[in-house]
Amino acid sequence: DVKVTQSSRYLVKRTGEKVFLECVQDMDHENMFWYRQDPGLGLRLIYFSYDVKMKEKGDIPEGYSVSREKKERFSLILESASTNQTSMYLCASSQREPQHFGDGTRLSIL
Amino acid sequence: GQQVMQIPQYQHVQEGEDFTTYCNSSTTLSNIQWYKQRPGGHPVFLIQLVKSGEVKKQKRLTFQFGEAKKNSSLHITATQTTDVGTYFCAGGGTSYGKLTFGQGTILTVHP
Repeated sequence: DVKVTQSSRYLVKRTGEKVFLECVQDMDHENMFWYRQDPGLGLRLIYFSYDVKMKEKGDIPEGYSVSREKKERFSLILESASTNQTSMYLCASSQREPQHFGDGTRLSIL
Repeated sequence: GQQVMQIPQYQHVQEGEDFTTYCNSSTTLSNIQWYKQRPGGHPVFLIQLVKSGEVKKQKRLTFQFGEAKKNSSLHITATQTTDVGTYFCAGGGTSYGKLTFGQGTILTVHP
């Protein structure tokens, strides 16, 4: 079974802090994705990566960056957290289809 | 860019009633996928449809892909309390397995 592990289930940070969300997958998948999930808006793609050190912007990349130094790990970085980035963040990985999701990180920015 | 609209946003049913959620894309899709997210859980893949007019069944769940490959539906017959959750459609066919998700339909089943 594919295992996608997100480092924290819940996280509380302050406005202006630099925040790191980590995601690790154990299936040697090429593709990894970061989404945020908000009520009524579904899952919106922030960034994705199709190989080590390769990344592409999704639909809502503003205020975020990513890092993929190793194939199994994909990090989401909030450069200077703001209250409108309070959300559920989901990581996913895939080789082709389907996508396999982690349990999510509920991030609160105070 | 590609947009996928899903309706309704909420559906409350009595146990035993049927349920349907609909998905419409602004562009032709090469495939459509359906995911289910239980309360407190993460999205889990249900099925993928690829062919125009395709219909697939999983027990009480019936999935359809439109002839123009721009719309899809999920129908659940005789809902059970175990069906509660949010159902997402997701349009595929772009590079690297990237998906565009609909807003999701939250299904509540009253016993």
